Amino acid sequence: KQEVTQIPAALSVPEGENLVLNCSFTDSAIYNLQWFRQDPGKGLTSLLLIQSSQREQTSGRLNASLDKSSGRSTLYIAASQPGDSATYLCAVRQMTEKLTFGTGTRLTIIP
Amino acid sequence: EAQVTQNPRYLITVTGKKLTVTCSQNMNHEYMSWYRQDPGLGLRQIYYSMNVEVTDKGDVPEGYKVSRKEKRNFPLILESPSPNQTSLYFCASSLGLGSNQPQHFGDGTRLSIL
Repeated sequence: KQEVTQIPAALSVPEGENLVLNCSFTDSAIYNLQWFRQDPGKGLTSLLLIQSSQREQTSGRLNASLDKSSGRSTLYIAASQPGDSATYLCAVRQMTEKLTFGTGTRLTIIP
Repeated sequence: EAQVTQNPRYLITVTGKKLTVTCSQNMNHEYMSWYRQDPGLGLRQIYYSMNVEVTDKGDVPEGYKVSRKEKRNFPLILESPSPNQTSLYFCASSLGLGSNQPQHFGDGTRLSIL
């Protein structure tokens, strides 16, 4: 059974710093991995999707990497801003459409 | 605008009173799914549907029903709600198997069962 872990559960960093969020999964037979952002009281916003054949994806200040063999993904946020404060979730999709989620990292950017 | 719409957004009700949470998507997606989100447990899949009239159980289906009579709609039914079904519920949709496209989520429905 696939298990997804995100450590740490919470992270606070000063504005302007670069930071890395971690995601690990136990079964490397994945179809893709998706990073989401969740704001309090809101739904999930898809940030980046990495296909199993890819090593990384970039969107603006965000860069997500995938090392399938070791069961790891990272989300790199450059030049953090207070508006980046949110909970970040990673989810892996295996050969069905089902997503298995981590429990998230709650990020706080300190102005 | 492409979106997944859930209603209601908030609901407080009592044990045993049947309720339905609606979900509608306007992207002609084949795949739709329901998740519940609980503190410390993350999001867990309740039911999913690969297409019209095709539904299957996820990880936590007990106490829930779904139907998929039309492609755009995927309602979640709680026939006899209980307090342990108090949670934040999300509906999601995607193009379906074979597409490497992201899943789209609704804004969530917060249910409180007293």
